[in-house]
Amino acid sequence: NAGVTQTPKFQVLKTGQSMTLQCAQDMNHEYMSWYRQDPGMGLRLIHYSVGAGITDQGEVPNGYNVSRSTTEDFPLRLLSAAPSQTSVYFCASSYNSGLNTGELFFGEGSRLTVL
Amino acid sequence: QKEVEQDPGPLSVPEGAIVSLNCTYSNSAFQYFMWYRQYSRKGPELLMYTYSSGNKEDGRFTAQVDKSSKYISLFIRDSQPSDSATYLCAMSFISNFGNEKLTFGTGTRLTIIP
Repeated sequence: NAGVTQTPKFQVLKTGQSMTLQCAQDMNHEYMSWYRQDPGMGLRLIHYSVGAGITDQGEVPNGYNVSRSTTEDFPLRLLSAAPSQTSVYFCASSYNSGLNTGELFFGEGSRLTVL
Repeated sequence: QKEVEQDPGPLSVPEGAIVSLNCTYSNSAFQYFMWYRQYSRKGPELLMYTYSSGNKEDGRFTAQVDKSSKYISLFIRDSQPSDSATYLCAMSFISNFGNEKLTFGTGTRLTIIP
């Protein structure tokens, strides 16, 4: 099993550009989520999904869109990149969807720089 | 004030020493407590998971939760250079809507010196 796979690993964007960070998991997990990790801020939840067709906002959703058409894939779209979105982005998945905390499996991260 | 406070370090200790990592929190609703380990340029991975107060031991690692003091700890015995990583505490509770609210600490960067 590959686990959680994120692409690309690195990306440089100019302000105003759009892009999609890809996330795929092969563990048949219902729950998937996107976090950003910034120095001194910890991991902050952007969006999450408890199953195909169901998404919801996390703590810092502004400027990001998600969709979940299949169990395996959960792409994160940056609509109009801003320097404040420079960060390391992690996709994570879990077997449990919320009534009991489950282990989160993280991808290796996507490092995004917005100039 | 952040809901979860964690000293960012960095913390450097000699190989074989006992390491103590700590987090404090302000929300008494937290019920589930976790420690994640994150190696450089990698994603976090779950190390320890505990529910409510008490101790849990797994090999060289012991997780301790004191809900009365809102304080959690991770102890590493006989520390090894391979333990060099950033350690993130995390804690969660189930909201009134039935979903889980998970909050991470900022992480403590640990280096074990051979």
